[in-house]
Amino acid sequence: DTGVSQDPRHKITKRGQNVTFRCDPISEHNRLYWYRQTLGQGPEFLTYFQNEAQLEKSRLLSDRFSAERPKGSFSTLEIQRTEQGDSAMYLCASSLIRSRASDNTGELFFGEGSRLTVL
Amino acid sequence: AQKVTQAQTEISVVEKEDVTLDCVYETRDTTYYLFWYKQPPSGELVFLIRRNSFDEQNEISGRYSWNFQKSTSSFNFTITASQVVDSAVYFCALKGEYGNKLVFGAGTILRVKS
Repeated sequence: DTGVSQDPRHKITKRGQNVTFRCDPISEHNRLYWYRQTLGQGPEFLTYFQNEAQLEKSRLLSDRFSAERPKGSFSTLEIQRTEQGDSAMYLCASSLIRSRASDNTGELFFGEGSRLTVL
Repeated sequence: AQKVTQAQTEISVVEKEDVTLDCVYETRDTTYYLFWYKQPPSGELVFLIRRNSFDEQNEISGRYSWNFQKSTSSFNFTITASQVVDSAVYFCALKGEYGNKLVFGAGTILRVKS
């Protein structure tokens, strides 16, 4: 399978615990995004990486959230001291950004998401 | 600020009916990109189409067609002769010329009954 893969698919945890999600993008893609989706809503942007550099973070990404992409390949999203409000689907997406702007079509390729339930 | 509004929360149709999903957007960019994604129960968002703001030609792909109207800031999506497999949540999204992320609407749940 050469698509975006996420692990774990489901995570149930108790309030106050730490959780970590992993995303493996499409191999040649240099850009990686994290989005959060709550019930009945569209995906909301959290952060994105260009290779290993984290270039933008949303205000939604509180201090308890940290994301890394250490070698410009896979990425991790860690949530510390989870709260019930963190319960959501965490979506990862990737894209290929080319040096010529007119070649960039903008669409993202998404994984199946990691569903977090905080009890 | 950029915003996408999908006013229809949920639509139910009977198989073989045509259905149109509405999308209205707001942006100050003169160049922008519009997208439709499908999210089946498995959860993965599947890319359907991208449209550039400078290309107002409507597009048809099989049973799918898209109507882009800059004058009303709308990018509507029609499924002709709907099928049960079309049941999913459909999202409209917007990306500005200099933006690096997609802004999504809240989605429309489409239920196609046999």
